[in-house]
Amino acid sequence: DIQMTQSPSSLSASVGDRVTITCRASQGIRNDLAWYQQKPGKAPKRLMYAASSLQSGVPSRFSGSGSGTEFTLTISSLQPEDFATYYCLQHNSYPRTFGQGTKVDIK
Amino acid sequence: QVQLQESGPGLVKPSETLSLTCTVSGGSISSYYWSWIRQPPGKGLEWIGSISYSGDTNYNPSLQSRVTISVVKYKSQFSLKLSSVAAADTAVYYCARFVTYGDSFDYWGQGTLVTVSS
Repeated sequence: DIQMTQSPSSLSASVGDRVTITCRASQGIRNDLAWYQQKPGKAPKRLMYAASSLQSGVPSRFSGSGSGTEFTLTISSLQPEDFATYYCLQHNSYPRTFGQGTKVDIK
Repeated sequence: QVQLQESGPGLVKPSETLSLTCTVSGGSISSYYWSWIRQPPGKGLEWIGSISYSGDTNYNPSLQSRVTISVVKYKSQFSLKLSSVAAADTAVYYCARFVTYGDSFDYWGQGTLVTVSS
């Protein structure tokens, strides 16, 4: 199985801050990585696919980068609605595996 | 707009079989791939398994001996059966879609909480 390691597991930030979350794969996965945002009591929502492609309807303050084993999700200017938990997902091989999540809360 | 809706019992007894159905509306069940994913309370996401529109399946090795996923095209539904459940199987269960074999999940159901308890 491919292990996905996210860091940090949590962070506190203020509105307007630039936030970066990292996901590392235990082996190369090309760009077969997606990022999801999950709010309490809700299903995850896809933000990015193919590592750096922005899902339709998602604000442009979200961006993704990386290939191979290291990936980042960046929020350029954190907004109140961005406080949530973020997960990466590798879809390069089976079994599909998620990172453990990064909770972004208000400083 | 594609919509997915999970349904099934919210309470299952230990050692019994958990059975859930996902109904797809607003789009065809054919030509796509479908998955089940779960999330224990307060924890992260775990992929359970996937099925293609033609019935080919992939399961998480950690659950493979207990999982069956099937599709009923004429009802636009796919289902999950998880046998011999225990308290550790208590989770919110989500169904989700992906477009091609190597794709990520684009549409998700709202999720349904299944509690395993006597």
